[in-house]
Amino acid sequence: GENVEQHPSTLSVQEGDSAVIKCTYSDSASNYFPWYKQELGKGPQLIIDIRSNVGEKKDQRIAVTLNKTAKHFSLHITETQPEDSAVYFCAASHRRALTFGSGTRLQVQP
Amino acid sequence: EAGVVQSPRYKIIEKKQPVAFWCNPISGHNTLYWYLQNLGQGPELLIRYENEEAVDDSQLPKDRFSAERLKGVDSTLKIQPAELGDSAVYLCASSSSDEQFFGPGTRLTVL
Repeated sequence: GENVEQHPSTLSVQEGDSAVIKCTYSDSASNYFPWYKQELGKGPQLIIDIRSNVGEKKDQRIAVTLNKTAKHFSLHITETQPEDSAVYFCAASHRRALTFGSGTRLQVQP
Repeated sequence: EAGVVQSPRYKIIEKKQPVAFWCNPISGHNTLYWYLQNLGQGPELLIRYENEEAVDDSQLPKDRFSAERLKGVDSTLKIQPAELGDSAVYLCASSSSDEQFFGPGTRLTVL
């Protein structure tokens, strides 16, 4: 089955700095890669996603890149704000079967 | 548009007792998922429904867990009997395409 590795497990940045979270996957058949943000006591919230036929996607301060050959994808958050503090999960999917990474706890220091 | 609704939000039971969780997906979403999330980890799929049919239940511990999705809308996940190791957050998600939308989860504590 699919295996998704995510790092770092924790990340602390100063407000205004950029944050990068990286994930690798094992199944070359995976073709959909979403990122979720989870705040304390809430369910995961989809923040951005990318499909295997696209190399990069951007939505305001958030961008995701995908390297199919190397089987890795990354989340980039620019101009971080305190409200970006949360746990972020990457995931890989084939035929709607999502496999999640272990999460990155991002803390943005004001 | 209303999101995925789950109830209860919290449940505390003693081991060996039964427990049930309920999920109402986003209107029009044919696919419904139940996930288990242990503390500090990512969600893990328990079962996936396409309308009324369970199309992927390979990770569901069938000796004690059961699920149903009558009429292809609401779903119920049951554990009987509960064990200490079942303490976790149970998440429900729904989709009409690749994008999955999650509910707030039910936090189960087994004493």
